Amino acid sequence: EVQLLESGGGLVQPGGSLRLSCAASGLTFNTYAMSWVRQAPGKGLEWVSSISASGVGTYYADSVKGRFTISRDNSKDTVYVQMNSLGAEDTAVYYCAKGRDWFDPWGQGTLVTVSS
Amino acid sequence: EIVMTQSPAILSVSPGERATLSCRASQSLSSNLAWYQQKPGQAPRLLIYGASTRATGIPARFSGSGSGTEYTLTISSLQSEDFAVYYCQQYNNWPALTFGGGTKVEIK
Repeated sequence: EVQLLESGGGLVQPGGSLRLSCAASGLTFNTYAMSWVRQAPGKGLEWVSSISASGVGTYYADSVKGRFTISRDNSKDTVYVQMNSLGAEDTAVYYCAKGRDWFDPWGQGTLVTVSS
Repeated sequence: EIVMTQSPAILSVSPGERATLSCRASQSLSSNLAWYQQKPGQAPRLLIYGASTRATGIPARFSGSGSGTEYTLTISSLQSEDFAVYYCQQYNNWPALTFGGGTKVEIK
C-alpha cells in the first residue's frame, strides 16, 4: 500500500519561509512524478507544483512561481517544497500526491498558517 | 487557464437514489478529466480518471462519462458513505492543472 506522510507545516509570519516534506513508502519512488496540492480553509483544491520522476522537470502554478521550489531526494523517497515570501493567501492544508496528471493517492496533509 | 465549473454547488439526495454531478470546462479536455471525493477532515480520494476509468478499489456504483467540455459523475445508488464533496480536475492543459469548485452531496 502506498503511503505518503507530510510534515513541516506550522505557523509562519508573513514574508517568512517554510519547507514541507513528504515521505513516501510502498512504491518505487524514483519512477513516479510527485505533486503538491493545497486547500485553503473552507475552500477548494489548487494545484501548486509537480516534479518529474528524475527531478529534472519542475512545474509551478503561477500563484507560487518564483517563491516555491519543489525538489526530491530519491535516495530518501522524499519530496519537498521550499516556500519563501509567504503571504496570507498561502494559508492552506498542503497535500502531497503521487502523479502529475491525476493524483493518487494523497497524503493526509499538513497545515500551513501564515499570520503575524 | 482552463476554468472548471461544477454544478450544482449542493445536491440533496436521499440514500438509495441516483446522483448526477456535472463539470463543465471552458475548453475541450479530450477526456483528460479526473474526479475526486473528499470527506470532512480527510484528503481527497481519486475516483475516476480519463473521464470514465474507475480508480483501483472504487465501487461500480461510481461512473464517469462525457466528452469535449461536458462531463458527468454518476453515483447510481447513494450509500451513507458517499455523502461528501466531489471535485473534477482537468489535466488536458498540463502543467496548468485546474480543479472545479466542488459539489457537496448531502443527505436529503
